[in-house]
Amino acid sequence: GNSVTQMEGPVTLSEEAFLTINCTYTATGYPSLFWYVQYPGEGLQLLLKATKADDKGSNKGFEATYRKETTSFHLEKGSVQVSDSAVYFCAQASGGGADGLTFGKGTHLIIQP
Amino acid sequence: DVKVTQSSRYLVKRTGEKVFLECVQDMDHENMFWYRQDPGLGLRLIYFSYDVKMKEKGDIPEGYSVSREKKERFSLILESASTNQTSMYLCASRLVGNTIYFGEGSWLTVV
Repeated sequence: GNSVTQMEGPVTLSEEAFLTINCTYTATGYPSLFWYVQYPGEGLQLLLKATKADDKGSNKGFEATYRKETTSFHLEKGSVQVSDSAVYFCAQASGGGADGLTFGKGTHLIIQP
Repeated sequence: DVKVTQSSRYLVKRTGEKVFLECVQDMDHENMFWYRQDPGLGLRLIYFSYDVKMKEKGDIPEGYSVSREKKERFSLILESASTNQTSMYLCASRLVGNTIYFGEGSWLTVV
């Protein structure tokens, strides 16, 4: 079946550092791809998405580009802040009947002042 | 804004109890989902519902059932709670083909 692989955490960075969280997927075709963020004690919020190859999703300074040739959707931010500390989930549309989401296991990001 | 509301944020139940987790969405979405979230395992789909009275098993349905009598409400039922069902449960909804929106989660502890 489909699966999403993202880098293990926790990832600890200093404020203003450059962030990359890797994500690769295994679905065939062109599934929509997503990054969700979960702040402490909260549910998941959609951060950004891309629906076709070479699309770039962006929001709150975060970006991710849909790379069909490498089946990747890496999350990047040029200068992280303490408030970006959260768990980040990469996901792909599952296809099939409900077309739900298949999630990666999550990457815990810790930003230190 | 889309609102997905899970009625109970924190619950503690005893082994063998019947547990209901309620979820309500206010945007007339057809599809609704129940996931559980566990450390190191990410989110796993328990059940989903296409529409009223329609449901399908997800990846880990064992020990759970669901009910969707009205479009806005999707309930997750643990017929006889067990300690391995201690987890965070996330409800979600969406219009067909669009973004999935999540509730804030329900932390269930079974003792």
